[in-house]
Amino acid sequence: GAGVSQSPSNKVTEKGKDVELRCDPISGHTALYWYRQSLGQGLEFLIYFQGNSAPDKSGLPSDRFSAERTGGSVSTLTIQRTQQEDSAVYLCASSLNSFTDTQYFGPGTRLTVL
Amino acid sequence: DQQVKQNSPSLSVQEGRISILNCDYTNSMFDYFLWYKKYPAEGPTFLISISSIKDKNEDGRFTVFLNKSAKHLSLHIVPSQPGDSAVYFCAASRGTNNNDMRFGAGTRLTVKP
Repeated sequence: GAGVSQSPSNKVTEKGKDVELRCDPISGHTALYWYRQSLGQGLEFLIYFQGNSAPDKSGLPSDRFSAERTGGSVSTLTIQRTQQEDSAVYLCASSLNSFTDTQYFGPGTRLTVL
Repeated sequence: DQQVKQNSPSLSVQEGRISILNCDYTNSMFDYFLWYKKYPAEGPTFLISISSIKDKNEDGRFTVFLNKSAKHLSLHIVPSQPGDSAVYFCAASRGTNNNDMRFGAGTRLTVKP
């Protein structure tokens, strides 16, 4: 598979627990993005990595959210002390170099916080 | 603050007719615009883009029009096909290497056979 992959595809967790979402971008893509889509809402930008660094963290909803990317490839989005309002589909995308390159999206992780 | 707006949550058209999806933005600094298409249970896929130096970009059945003075863009699909039924997201960003891309809420297009 040459596309963006994400795991798990579905995650159900209890309020207050931590969750970790994983994204494998397309090989060779230096830019990686995390978005979320809540029910009835548009896509919400969360964070963007250029290589391993995240120049823009302004979209993270709160300090419970963090993300890292190692080796310029795999990225993990961690949500600590999950709340019910964190329930959403979390989408990862990658592009060759920058925001103006076509972004290729993964299938998403559906997170449900009970 | 919703800087990109898609005011029609849904649109239904007959197969073979034109589909027109609209998008408005408020930030005059946006200069790059994209449309994404999303099927249920899949991530969005890039469809077509336009930079602010153009007012039209065409790719097969898909054409995007940009009216900078009105801060409005539209996606035209002609002829519409049942396989075009999906949610369409409009997005906008600033600059050529900007981190802040804003999306609209999406418009669900249904093309009836």
